[in-house]
Amino acid sequence: GENVEQHPSTLSVQEGDSAVIKCTYSDSASNYFPWYKQELGKRPQLIIDIRSNVGEKKDQRIAVTLNKTAKHFSLHITETQPEDSAVYFCAASNAGGTSYGKLTFGQGTILTVHP
Amino acid sequence: GAVVSQHPSWVICKSGTSVKIECRSLDFQATTMFWYRQFPKQSLMLMATSNEGSKATYEQGVEKDKFLINHASLTLSTLTVTSAHPEDSSFYICSAEGGRAHYGYTFGSGTRLTVV
Repeated sequence: GENVEQHPSTLSVQEGDSAVIKCTYSDSASNYFPWYKQELGKRPQLIIDIRSNVGEKKDQRIAVTLNKTAKHFSLHITETQPEDSAVYFCAASNAGGTSYGKLTFGQGTILTVHP
Repeated sequence: GAVVSQHPSWVICKSGTSVKIECRSLDFQATTMFWYRQFPKQSLMLMATSNEGSKATYEQGVEKDKFLINHASLTLSTLTVTSAHPEDSSFYICSAEGGRAHYGYTFGSGTRLTVV
């Protein structure tokens, strides 16, 4: 089955700096890669996703890049703000037909943005 | 947007008792429901996948007789933790997919289970 490795486990940055979180996956059949932000005791919130036919996607301060050959993808947050502080999870699945399939999550990264 | 209502949000039960968690899709038909467990400071681990009207598919290492999943309708799936023990204390969360009408995951709000 799929295995997703995520690094770093913790990341501390100053407000305004950029933050980068990296994930690698093992199953070459995976073709859908979402990123979630989770606050304590809350449900994961989708912040951005990318499919394997795209190398990069950007949404305001958030961007995701995908390298299919190397089987890794990264989340980039620019101009970080204290409210970006949360746990971030990457995930991978084999989406097809009418389903995204089952997600395999990375271990998570605790991001702390200091004012 | 798509909404999945999960209840209860938290529950405390005694060892040996059973607890039922419900997930309802409010504005779409959930053809597939995924159930996850999340221990403190850890990631979400998939427990099982259920499709409406059929038996759930459990991930390796998850006891199907202990974690009973029922997905009898397109809007309701339930997870029953039977004979709960303190080590079952965790955050349980569902995620629904609705086929062509709703392509993508919608997470429930989660249930914090504490077994004493």
